[in-house]
Amino acid sequence: ETGVTQTPRHLVMGMTNKKSLKCEQHLGHNAMYWYKQSAKKPLELMFVYNFKEQTENNSVPSRFSPECPNSSHLFLHLHTLQPEDSALYLCASSQENQPTDTQYFGPGTRLTVL
Amino acid sequence: AQKITQTQPGMFVQEKEAVTLDCTYDTSDQSYGLFWYKQPSSGEMIFLIYQGSYDEQNATEGRYSLNFQKARKSANLVISASQLGDSAMYFCAMREGRLIIQGAQKLVFGQGTRLTINP
Repeated sequence: ETGVTQTPRHLVMGMTNKKSLKCEQHLGHNAMYWYKQSAKKPLELMFVYNFKEQTENNSVPSRFSPECPNSSHLFLHLHTLQPEDSALYLCASSQENQPTDTQYFGPGTRLTVL
Repeated sequence: AQKITQTQPGMFVQEKEAVTLDCTYDTSDQSYGLFWYKQPSSGEMIFLIYQGSYDEQNATEGRYSLNFQKARKSANLVISASQLGDSAMYFCAMREGRLIIQGAQKLVFGQGTRLTINP
């Protein structure tokens, strides 16, 4: 399997549920990212992990909890979400200090919070 | 102030025609990178092309080229000989500053342009 994969692709959850989104990259990169894409809004960076260390938390509510056990895997743990958290959640990875440092994205998880 | 501006919310183009998608950016850094991504209805963001601020030539990747006008701070994407499969959202993004050792890069995205190719 190549590139960046995300599971599940679709998720419907109630506000009291706890669920997790998973991202895996097969590109040998050392940085991983979570983005949120809401309707009619630009992509919003949520979290950045570099060599498994979180280097960025863009004022994300604590009901979103990231985890990066190694440089190939990234999780986003969700609990007590709100309907306005419904969005497409995209994972990306990049290799730092390469000439372009391009981010490569996964297919996303479309989350609906009821 | 918006860092990335894409002024065309939607565009309709006839198949096989060339299309230009506009992108202007705002930065005070001398070193930065500009990216274009394509997002089909399925959701994944597909990297298309990259232009570095110090690159003297416009970037090209197959049917994609980037019309980079540094003084005007514009980085328009040109798609030649458009195809039905080019119908998608297109996002312009910018990485400011030099690549740094600590912390991965941050990308700022524009609002996107929805391109529809008509047969």
